[in-house]
Formats: sequence, structure tokens, C-alpha cells
Amino acid sequence: AQSVTQPDIHITVSEGASLELRCNYSYGATPYLFWYVQSPGQGLQLLLKYFSGDTLVQGIKGFEAEFKRSQSSFNLRKPSVHWSDAAEYFCAVGVGGSYIPTFGRGTSLIVHP
Amino acid sequence: EPEVTQTPSHQVTQMGQEVILRCVPISNHLYFYWYRQILGQKVEFLVSFYNNEISEKSEIFDDQFSVERPDGSNFTLKIRSTKLEDSAMYFCASSGDRNIQYFGAGTRLSVL
Repeated sequence: AQSVTQPDIHITVSEGASLELRCNYSYGATPYLFWYVQSPGQGLQLLLKYFSGDTLVQGIKGFEAEFKRSQSSFNLRKPSVHWSDAAEYFCAVGVGGSYIPTFGRGTSLIVHP
Repeated sequence: EPEVTQTPSHQVTQMGQEVILRCVPISNHLYFYWYRQILGQKVEFLVSFYNNEISEKSEIFDDQFSVERPDGSNFTLKIRSTKLEDSAMYFCASSGDRNIQYFGAGTRLSVL
């Protein structure tokens, strides 16, 4: 079965600084990969997804993620963080034949002014 | 922008009571899902629903759980006899093409 690891429970950055949130997956073939964001009191919003093709994918709110097969990773990046980016971020993996994503534990992003 | 709506936002119930969590998926979507997130833990898949029947379910989704689409707009999750360990945030999601799921804001269920 597939699994997802988000090694960082909390990340603290200053506003304007760059951001990278780590995600590693375990699956024998190429999975579908997702990043979701959950702001307080909100549902899970899809930031971006990777199914195939270009390994660098662009998402909403200025986020991007890069699929690295050799490292089984799908890290999320943003060049300059805004205070409104403070939220919980979830990486998820889906496998062929089933579109049910398996979620990581999430990384809580704290943004300092 | 269309969104998935869940009610109530917070439900408090006594152990052993039945609860029904309600969801209004995006109107032209065909696939519906329930997930739960116990505090401090991962979001876990419970069940998916398509064409008026369950298409997939996890081991969590036992006989205490049921889902229903009673009319053309609502999608409900029923827990027949709640246990303390059912306390969690429950998320509904819907999808038009199975590739991308749109999530509601969740219902926090507190079992006392």
C-alpha cells in the first residue's frame, strides 16, 4: 500500500522568506500526487497536482512543487511567503485505479511578521 | 465559485446516540466521499459513493456507518451508535471526474 511522509510537523518562516515543505511517498510505480491547504475553519483546498508530464507543477497562490522520482519526493515551494499562507498543508498520494488519496500527517506553517 | 457545504459545523452528542452529518456536494458532481481526521492524526478515507451505491470503503467504515443520497442534492453520513473514538472532524468531498476532489469545511463531531 502507498504511504506519505511529511517529516516536518511545524515550519516557521518570516514573511517574505522562501518556503519548502517536504513530502516523501512510498509506492512502487508513479503515483498521483497532490498538495492541499487547510486554513483555520476551512476545508481542504487543492493547491496543485501531478499526474504525469512536466515534473515541475504550478499551483494556485504562487505555489509550485517538483516531482523527483529518484527521491520519491514531491516538495512544495513558494519563493516569498505571505502572512495569509499560515495554514496546515497536506501532501497526498493516489494510485492508478483508485483516486482515493492517502494523506500525510500535515505540516503546520507559521508565518512571523 | 461552487463549493461543498457541510452542516452542522459542530455536532455534540452523547455516546450511543445516532448522528447524521450532512453535505451538499457541488451540483454537477457525480462522485462523493467522506473522510475523517481525528485530532492530531491524518485525514483518513471512509467511503466513496457513485451512482447511488458505495464504490469503495475503508476498514474504518464498519456496520456502524452508512451513507445515503436521499435526494438530488444531499449526501449524508450516519453513525448509528456513536463511540468516544468517533470524535473527529468529518470532511465531505465531491468530484466531477474522480481526479480532483473538492472538500467541505468539515463537521467537528464531539462524542461525550
